[in-house]
Parts: sequence; C-alpha cells; structure tokens
Amino acid sequence: IAGITQAPTSQILAAGRRMTLRCTQDMRHNAMYWYRQDLGLGLRLIHYSNTAGTTGKGEVPDGYSVSRANTDDFPLTLASAVPSQTSVYFCASSDYAGGNSPLHFGNGTRLTVT
Amino acid sequence: GQNIDQPTEMTATEGAIVQINCTYQTSGFNGLFWYQQHAGEAPTFLSYNVLDGLEEKGRFSSFLSRSKGYSYLLLKELQMKDSASYLCAVRNGNYQLIWGAGTKLIIKP
Repeated sequence: IAGITQAPTSQILAAGRRMTLRCTQDMRHNAMYWYRQDLGLGLRLIHYSNTAGTTGKGEVPDGYSVSRANTDDFPLTLASAVPSQTSVYFCASSDYAGGNSPLHFGNGTRLTVT
Repeated sequence: GQNIDQPTEMTATEGAIVQINCTYQTSGFNGLFWYQQHAGEAPTFLSYNVLDGLEEKGRFSSFLSRSKGYSYLLLKELQMKDSASYLCAVRNGNYQLIWGAGTKLIIKP
C-alpha cells in the first residue's frame, strides 16, 4: 500500500539520549517535511526538504537535524533529547513544494522524553 | 505576524449541518487547505481553495473569501464518524504552510 511509514510508533527516551525517527515514502514525492504537534498548537514545521539532496529549516529547528540522501527517506535526529521535545512527530510528503499539492502524512511517532 | 484562527471546539447533532470557520492573516496567499484528523491518527487532506467561492465535494464543502481572509468548511448530513479535529492551513506568499490549532468537532446522537 502506497504511503508514508514512520518508525517507531512510540518511544520513551531518557533526556540526553540521541534518537532518530525514521520516515519512508513510496509515492516518489519530491518534498518531505517533519512536523511536531502539541496540544493547543497548530502543526509546527521542524525541517523540510523540497527535493532529494536539499534540506531547510522550519519554524522550530533547534535540537533537530535531518538528511535527505534519496527520494524515499527523510530521517529526523534528536542529538540530545530534552523534555520539551516530548511531542507527536509527523512526517509528511507532497508531490512538490508549493501550489495545490496536498501533504500526505505518516501515522506519527509519539515521543516522551523523561 | 501570521496567524490562523479557528474555534477550539464545536458540538453538533448527527444528521445536522455544521460550519467551521477559519480566519487568517498571512504575508501573501497561495491557497488554503482543510484537513481532517481523527484522535490519535494522521491528518488527511479534505479540500483546497485558491480562488474565491465554494468547492463542493460530497457532504463536505469549503468556501473562501480572499478579501476577507476567511474560509469555512461546511459538513452536511453529519455522521458519528465525522467526530474529529479539522485543521485549516494557509500557504503564504513564500509558499510556507501556516497551520491553525484545529477545531475539535463533537457529534452527538
């Protein structure tokens, strides 16, 4: 089934640990995104990639890094987790960045940093 | 600054009609999206408006007025499965997506 796969589904992580959230899409979409969703707030963009080989910073990039080595994969790394990074993380993709191309979302990773 | 305003929560009755409003202030405009998000699940795309007017898609319709910075999502013949959060998002002049906090819709029998 075509779509976006995120792993893990949920994770409890000790503060200070390093963690990589995985995201893979099989729709050959050019653009990919990482969002965090917190109660009472809209989705906030962490990092994005308009095409393989390029990345950019979103609204809340501090403490996170990404890479886009190929079209399909867009991992998000927390170098040293802090409790404020407790959130639900969604990976998304779109055919292209901009215009009327809608975002397709993965099922999310629920991360708790203790 | 840029912001999207939506009511936090709305309640409606099964079989009725509900209108969810979204007002926006952004630097430029390149389209408005509505998404549905069931609790614990991913957002899913509902509609896109870039020109003024009404876009109808089955039981769901979305309206846009660019001059007023206003949109609404109209849901007809409400079903229990329509209980979800509805997210409004605007693509600004730099093609960035600005998201509202979402409206939680509760459907009662």
